[in-house]
Amino acid sequence: SQKIEQNSEALNIQEGKTATLTCNYTNYSPAYLQWYRQDPGRGPVFLLLIRENEKEKRKERLKVTFDTTLKQSLFHITASQPADSATYLCARGLNFGNEKLTFGTGTRLTIIP
Amino acid sequence: NAGVMQNPRHLVRRRGQEARLRCSPMKGHSHVYWYRQLPEEGLKFMVYLQKENIIDESGMPKERFSAEFPKEGPSILRIQQVVRGDSAAYFCASSPPSGAGSFGHTIYFGEGSWLTVV
Repeated sequence: SQKIEQNSEALNIQEGKTATLTCNYTNYSPAYLQWYRQDPGRGPVFLLLIRENEKEKRKERLKVTFDTTLKQSLFHITASQPADSATYLCARGLNFGNEKLTFGTGTRLTIIP
Repeated sequence: NAGVMQNPRHLVRRRGQEARLRCSPMKGHSHVYWYRQLPEEGLKFMVYLQKENIIDESGMPKERFSAEFPKEGPSILRIQQVVRGDSAAYFCASSPPSGAGSFGHTIYFGEGSWLTVV
């Protein structure tokens, strides 16, 4: 079965530093990986999607990489702020057209002022 | 510009009762997905529907659970004879038809329906 693993259950980062979250997958490369933010009691909010043939994607202070050799995606938040504190979820998709996503258990990020 | 609307947000049911969770997708979206999030676990895919069709129900428990997305009205996730293990957050998501949307196939989640079985 295709698995997604987010190694760190929780991560504490000093405000202003770069937070880096890791997502590893097993078996064959997914067509794409997605990153979501989830706040307590709320639904996941889509942040970034990166396709198998893309190495890097950026959006404002966010950056995502996709390394098919390491079977890994890294999610970076630069100049982190307390408002960035949330759980971040990684998800893999099999192919475009069927959004049956497999989610990791998430990393709870806390930005310390 | 309403997002994915789910109701009820919170639902308490006694063991053996039925739970009905409703989901109205975003305007223009014809694909609906249901996911379940158990305490301290990740989101798990349950079912993928298009209007009047179940496309993929590989994540649905074989018994007591059913889903529909009628031609008119919201999608419904129905849980019959609920047990304590059904207590979870149930999230609905929607996406536009294949090929549409600025990110191709981004899906948008609702705020969830939190079911508690007592």
